[in-house]
Amino acid sequence: GQQLNQSPQSMFIQEGEDVSMNCTSSSIFNTWLWYKQDPGEGPVLLIALYKAGELTSNGRLTAQFGITRKDSFLNISASIPSDVGIYFCAGLYRGRDDKIIFGKGTRLHILP
Amino acid sequence: NAGVTQTPKFQVLKTGQSMTLQCAQDMNHNSMYWYRQDPGMGLRLIYYSASEGTTDKGEVPNGYNVSRLNKREFSLRLESAAPSQTSVYFCASRRDRGAEAFFGQGTRLTVV
Repeated sequence: GQQLNQSPQSMFIQEGEDVSMNCTSSSIFNTWLWYKQDPGEGPVLLIALYKAGELTSNGRLTAQFGITRKDSFLNISASIPSDVGIYFCAGLYRGRDDKIIFGKGTRLHILP
Repeated sequence: NAGVTQTPKFQVLKTGQSMTLQCAQDMNHNSMYWYRQDPGMGLRLIYYSASEGTTDKGEVPNGYNVSRLNKREFSLRLESAAPSQTSVYFCASRRDRGAEAFFGQGTRLTVV
């Protein structure tokens, strides 16, 4: 079955540092998604990527859709305390099936 | 602006009991999903429904059944609960041609 490998599993950083996390897949997707989950809440979409090679920004967040269509990365610049949470990548093949498959998540901790 | 509503928010079951988790969305979305979230495992797809009247298995369907009652509602049933089904369950919906899935607040289920 489809699998998404997300790394790292957790990160401890200082406020102000940049963060990078990535996701690789055993299957091709035509859509990559990045979500953030705060404690006690459902995940919320941060960025959606629709084309191989696409680079998209949302404020301090930047994500790229890998050329092979089997990987994606998310960068967060100048981290702030509210960036704490769990970040998930997810893959979707629109037009083929309707499944959205998630990675295991990257838990981000920011040290005071 | 209700979005995706899940009930109940918390539930404790004894092994062998049955229950149905309810999910309703008011965004006129065709696609709906049920996920379970366990520590370190990310979000795993249980079942999904691409449209009213259709349902398909996801990654971890064993021990669950679903019903797409109408376009708004997608329920998840545990016929004979087991401790391994202790988890947080999330329902989500997605519009056609879009990538973003909107999540409910989750149901925290404990099976003792």
